[in-house]
Amino acid sequence: KAGVTQTPRYLIKTRGQQVTLSCSPISGHRSVSWYQQTPGQGLQFLFEYFSETQRNKGNFPGRFSGRQFSNSRSEMNVSTLELGDSALYLCASSLWAGGQPEQFFGPGTRLTVL
Amino acid sequence: EDKVVQSPLSLVVHEGDTVTLNCSYEVTNFRSLLWYKQEKKAPTFLFMLTSSGIEKKSGRLSSILDKKELFSILNITATQTGDSAIYLCAVVTNTGNQFYFGTGTSLTVIP
Repeated sequence: KAGVTQTPRYLIKTRGQQVTLSCSPISGHRSVSWYQQTPGQGLQFLFEYFSETQRNKGNFPGRFSGRQFSNSRSEMNVSTLELGDSALYLCASSLWAGGQPEQFFGPGTRLTVL
Repeated sequence: EDKVVQSPLSLVVHEGDTVTLNCSYEVTNFRSLLWYKQEKKAPTFLFMLTSSGIEKKSGRLSSILDKKELFSILNITATQTGDSAIYLCAVVTNTGNQFYFGTGTSLTVIP
C-alpha cells in the first residue's frame, strides 16, 4: 500500500505570494491532518479534514486554509506569505477522524519564504 | 490553555543505556496520547495510549500512561545508535479531535 505523498517536496516563495500544497492520503483513509513544524515551535496542528469537511482547526490565522476532495486528497493554501511561514508542512492520514486508529505522516513540504 | 510538555529537551547516552522520556499534559477532554519517532523525515507512529496503567510494548520500547497525574513515559532499553531521533508526544482531545504536540525530546545514542 502506498504511503502518504506530498507535493511539492520543496518550495521557495517570496513574501506576499501565495502557495498551495497537496497531500494524497493512504488509500482508504478518510482523514487528513495538516501540521506546521518549525525549530522554535515544534509541531503545530493546523487543521483536519474528514470526508471533505473541516473537523477542527488549530490557532492559525485565516491566511491558512485547506480543503479536501471526494477522493480524500487534500490541499492547503497559504496566502500573503510571511517570512515566519517558512517551515516544514506535514500532512498525516488516518482511517478515521482524530488520527484513529493511527496516523501516518507524509514526507513533508519544505517551504522557504524569502 | 492546553499544552503538552516533554522532558528532557535533549539527551545523549551510550549504546546499551536505558532511557526514560517524559510527557506531561494539561488538556481538557483528553482522548488519547500518542508517541512518535522522528528521524530526518516524517514522524512515525509508535504508540497510542488511552487507559491508565496499561503498558504498551514494542521490542525495546515501552510506554505507559497515568491519567491521574497527567503524564506518560516512553522507555527505551538497550539503546542503539538507530534510536537516535526526536521523540514526539501528542495528546488528542475529544473536543474536535485537536492534536497538541510537545516540542519533542532529541535523543542521541553514541557508540
